[in-house]
Amino acid sequence: DAKTTQPNSMESNEEEPVHLPCNHSTISGTDYIHWYRQLPSQGPEYVIHGLTSNVNNRMASLAIAEDRKSSTLILHRATLRDAAVYYCILRDRRDSSYKLIFGSGTRLLVRP
Amino acid sequence: ETGVTQTPRHLVMGMTNKKSLKCEQHLGHNAMYWYKQSAKKPLELMFVYNFKEQTENNSVPSRFSPECPNSSHLFLHLHTLQPEDSALYLCASSQGSGAGDTDTQYFGPGTRLTVL
Repeated sequence: DAKTTQPNSMESNEEEPVHLPCNHSTISGTDYIHWYRQLPSQGPEYVIHGLTSNVNNRMASLAIAEDRKSSTLILHRATLRDAAVYYCILRDRRDSSYKLIFGSGTRLLVRP
Repeated sequence: ETGVTQTPRHLVMGMTNKKSLKCEQHLGHNAMYWYKQSAKKPLELMFVYNFKEQTENNSVPSRFSPECPNSSHLFLHLHTLQPEDSALYLCASSQGSGAGDTDTQYFGPGTRLTVL
C-alpha cells in the first residue's frame, strides 16, 4: 500500500483558513486520496476524496498537486468544532476489499 | 435510529470473562468492519465482512471472534482477553460491492473496552 506523510499537529485560529498537507510520493495511478477526521470521543467521519482534480464539498476543499505526489485539505474557515485528527488515506480503486489503512494523522488545534 | 450504533459504549471485563460487542447499521450497507484504536496508535483494521462473508482477517488473535449474522449486524465476541487489549473498538459500514470506484465508510461511536 502506498504511504502518506502528514505533520503530527497543526494549530489555527478560529475563522481563519487551514491548509492540512499530505505527502504521498509513491502514489499509483489507481489510488484515490481520501480524507477522514476524528473528533474527540467519536469515530472517524468522511470529509472528502479525489483522484486527480480539485474537489469541493460543504465541509472542505481538496487540492491535488499536478503530479499527485501531494495534496492539501483546505478548511475555509476553521471553527472550534473542526478540532480533530485529520487522516489522509490512499486507497486503490482496484481494491475490492474496500478497506482503509489509517496512519497517525494530523491533530488540528483551533484557538478561539 | 440512524447511522451506525454500537453497544455497549463502555465495558470493563476481567481476563477470564466472555463478553460481546454489538454493532448495527441502519444505512442499507453490505460491508462492515471492526477496527481497534489503542492509545497513541493509529486505527488498526481487524476484520472486514462483505455480504456476511469475512473477506479480511488482519492477523487478529483468536480471542477475538467476529460474527456477522446479516448485513445489518456485526458482533465481536471476546474471551480470555489481556490488559493490552484495552482499547476503543470501532465498527464501520459501507456500501461495499456496487459502490463504484470509491466507497465511503461510516463509523459508529465505538466501545471503550478496559480489561483488568
